[in-house]
Amino acid sequence: EIVLTQSPGTLSLSPGERATLSCRASQSVSSSYLAWYQQKPGQAPRLLIYGASSRATGIPDRFSGSGSGTDFTLTISRLEPEDFAVYYCQQYGSSPLTFGPGTKVDIK
Amino acid sequence: QLQLQESGPGLVKPSETLSLTCTVSGGSISSSSYYWGWIRQPPGKGLEWIGSIYYSGSTYYNPSLKSRVTISVDTSKNQFSLKLSSVTAADTAVYYCASKGYYPRDAFDIWGQGTMVTVSS
Repeated sequence: EIVLTQSPGTLSLSPGERATLSCRASQSVSSSYLAWYQQKPGQAPRLLIYGASSRATGIPDRFSGSGSGTDFTLTISRLEPEDFAVYYCQQYGSSPLTFGPGTKVDIK
Repeated sequence: QLQLQESGPGLVKPSETLSLTCTVSGGSISSSSYYWGWIRQPPGKGLEWIGSIYYSGSTYYNPSLKSRVTISVDTSKNQFSLKLSSVTAADTAVYYCASKGYYPRDAFDIWGQGTMVTVSS
């Protein structure tokens, strides 16, 4: 099973700032099948990035994903008020599909 | 636009079987274009993949739950379902159904709103 570790656990930033979230895998993620999801309280997760770097439909271009192998990054170039949420990475290149523990982005 | 909606009992007794249904609208459960899945989230915790199914009936389960899980498709009702047997308090969670495209590169892009299931006597 591929274990995903996300850092930091919490990121305290102000609107307009840049957010950099890390996801590290215990072994190489097959074909960069790595996704990022955003979850707000009481809501289902929303897909932001798939294939490590492709934005899902309707996702603003301030969200970008990068990385390969075992190290992946989600970057939010300029935080908007609606971006404060919890972010999960997920690998789906090998079974079982696994999620990271999440990074909470909160308002400083 | 594909939409998913979970339904089922919100309270299940320990040792019993949890049964949930996901109704698909805006598309066909029989389409070769989608995989269907279940994911859960205990209160205040992270996400756990339970398993997935293809329209053909091929299933893929999380080994940690495999002995207790059954996922199936009902094409006549455009639904897929989850059964989790011998539940304990550790199975208390919000249960989400979700769909992903057929291609390996696709991730879960459509999610239901989730349904809270509590295991308690």
